Amino acid sequence: GENVGLHLPTLSVQEGDNSIINCAYSNSASDYFIWYKQESGKGPQFIIDIRSNMDKRQGQRVTVLLNKTVKHLSLQIAATQPGDSAVYFCAERSAGGTSYGKLTFGQGTILTVHP
Amino acid sequence: EAGVTQFPSHSVIEKGQTVTLRCDPISGHDNLYWYRRVMGKEIKFLLHFVKESKQDESGMPNNRFLAERTGGTYSTLKVQPAELEDSGVYFCASSHQLGGGASNEQFFGPGTRLTVL
Repeated sequence: GENVGLHLPTLSVQEGDNSIINCAYSNSASDYFIWYKQESGKGPQFIIDIRSNMDKRQGQRVTVLLNKTVKHLSLQIAATQPGDSAVYFCAERSAGGTSYGKLTFGQGTILTVHP
Repeated sequence: EAGVTQFPSHSVIEKGQTVTLRCDPISGHDNLYWYRRVMGKEIKFLLHFVKESKQDESGMPNNRFLAERTGGTYSTLKVQPAELEDSGVYFCASSHQLGGGASNEQFFGPGTRLTVL
């Protein structure tokens, strides 16, 4: 598959457990931080975003935490389900200038949920 | 509402040949982006159109890559001549508008898997 050779970080959890996926970013000028989920054979799918002036945002079963001091972003998935198995990417969006809107992606984390 | 579509889903060509990838964004989306994921690397930005204009093409690797968006609707990405290192998955994404205090979600297509032999 397309993840071969990438040596992505992996996270294996049991169904019903909570999952935490971490990401470090580098660009302090980003205005939004975004989590994407990519299933095999599909493009990245938006999960949740957080504006750079916030430190926490909750969605349905997902929470994103932003720590600007250490440039760290995390995605928490509550009651993880087998359908959550996928590659998860964090991305930061450029805030301005000609690169406004451009996404810079992290390397991704493979989440495997065991029934 | 139809999502972002890309054609073809797979393309296998020989080094030196030409390939043209097509992306149809969501209707009404002014912003169209191309990204690619080369094996062993993360997803990387190639370029950004606003309507028919190139807003940012800083990610285009070299002059073998040419992107167009005539009429501000669909876009094509041509690789001529293709090299081995061009193999990977090419994603297209579109979004409505930028600004306005929202992240203006980018909707991604399923990608075109390009293999250069």
